[in-house]
Amino acid sequence: ETGVTQSPTHLIKTRGQQVTLRCSSQSGHNTVSWYQQALGQGPQFIFQYYREEENGRGNFPPRFSGLQFPNYSSELNVNALELDDSALYLCASSLEVGKLFFGSGTQLSVL
Amino acid sequence: SQQGEEDPQALSIQEGENATMNCSYKTSINNLQWYRQNSGRGLVHLILIRSNEREKHSGRLRVTLDTSKKSSSLLITASRAADTASYFCATDANTDKLIFGTGTRLQVFP
Repeated sequence: ETGVTQSPTHLIKTRGQQVTLRCSSQSGHNTVSWYQQALGQGPQFIFQYYREEENGRGNFPPRFSGLQFPNYSSELNVNALELDDSALYLCASSLEVGKLFFGSGTQLSVL
Repeated sequence: SQQGEEDPQALSIQEGENATMNCSYKTSINNLQWYRQNSGRGLVHLILIRSNEREKHSGRLRVTLDTSKKSSSLLITASRAADTASYFCATDANTDKLIFGTGTRLQVFP
């Protein structure tokens, strides 16, 4: 157990809808990173938040957005869902550069 | 985009054998990490090796790093069926963002 929890575990949406995924960081961790993992691929970096500010972004369109709250929990929002957004979304927290602690992920299916 | 590429993509061995996975990356790094993932769920950190280190051990794991070749290897000795998982290398590319490779799927048969 890493102490990082994600909700929901599974989600089914239709194309064009919006989705919000949630992540609670391990206690004391001030940095949260979000990754998208398509089936059979490695995790792709979406963005990172450090103390409520975005601290780096991967090659994802603006319809992928996020928030980090004062308690360091985080949300990932995706607007105008597309079929290719179907993937496992992973949240990871850390205290500093280095080891990441991952949640179990949210499996998103877009129909 | 992927920073790292693991080789082989898939590996099948018998219990008790050693498993070796390789990772190549593209840019200079501060450190390289290896993670394990069971059945498409969350990743678990295995080991971190810094750019000024050449070899590191943790239990049955041995990691090497060759920065001149931009490559790393993960050796699992005396493998067990419970080692069946996907293994990923991850590098920071001199930033504080971890970029993952494509992974090696390891199957250990009892």
